[in-house]
Amino acid sequence: DTEVTQTPKHLVMGMTNKKSLKCEQHMGHRAMYWYKQKAKKPPELMFVYSYEKLSINESVPSRFSPECPNSSLLNLHLHALQPEDSALYLCASSQVDRGYGNTIYFGEGSWLTVV
Amino acid sequence: TQLLEQSPQFLSIQEGENLTVYCNSSSVFSSLQWYRQEPGEGPVLLVTVVTGGEVKKLKRLTFQFGDARKDSSLHITAAQTGDTGLYLCAGIDGGSQGNLIFGKGTKLSVKP
Repeated sequence: DTEVTQTPKHLVMGMTNKKSLKCEQHMGHRAMYWYKQKAKKPPELMFVYSYEKLSINESVPSRFSPECPNSSLLNLHLHALQPEDSALYLCASSQVDRGYGNTIYFGEGSWLTVV
Repeated sequence: TQLLEQSPQFLSIQEGENLTVYCNSSSVFSSLQWYRQEPGEGPVLLVTVVTGGEVKKLKRLTFQFGDARKDSSLHITAAQTGDTGLYLCAGIDGGSQGNLIFGKGTKLSVKP
């Protein structure tokens, strides 16, 4: 089973709203990721969690706040977003965050629209 | 900064034709992955190649990893309309960070 589950599938939020994206995997993976993807572009890395600790933050604005409650769950808290933050947000996981042969598996994505 | 050059960016072919997509870099990757993505969906993993010179086959898809682990190709034989989609190559850098470096993608359209 190589499944990464994301909810919600679609989210529309106003610029003053607070919402969260959720991600879950039960593959025993110890690295989890958030990526952002705009139309016709490849995914861009936002955050990496390794063993439940934030290991990489790719200079993401503070209106995006990640959280890793346990090794299976990853959240992305959203607050005061801008319309240009509208994108497909992808969660991913891998056995570890580095190493020979490491493979990263993606969820189906959460399509976010900020109005 | 590692870069992964993917070509072609767009490809439109007739059903039954063969095609090859290339990913090239001047840097070494510890592994390279190929994904296929539909609009509004997440990338679906097709294959991971790890060993230099490795060839993997997935039905009509053949993946090669260069001997020096700097380049890779995806060859599709007798393309079908169901092969239509965005194909992404992504390499895990050989450094300590283990980041996934994406190519820009190849948008394939197979017409009946």
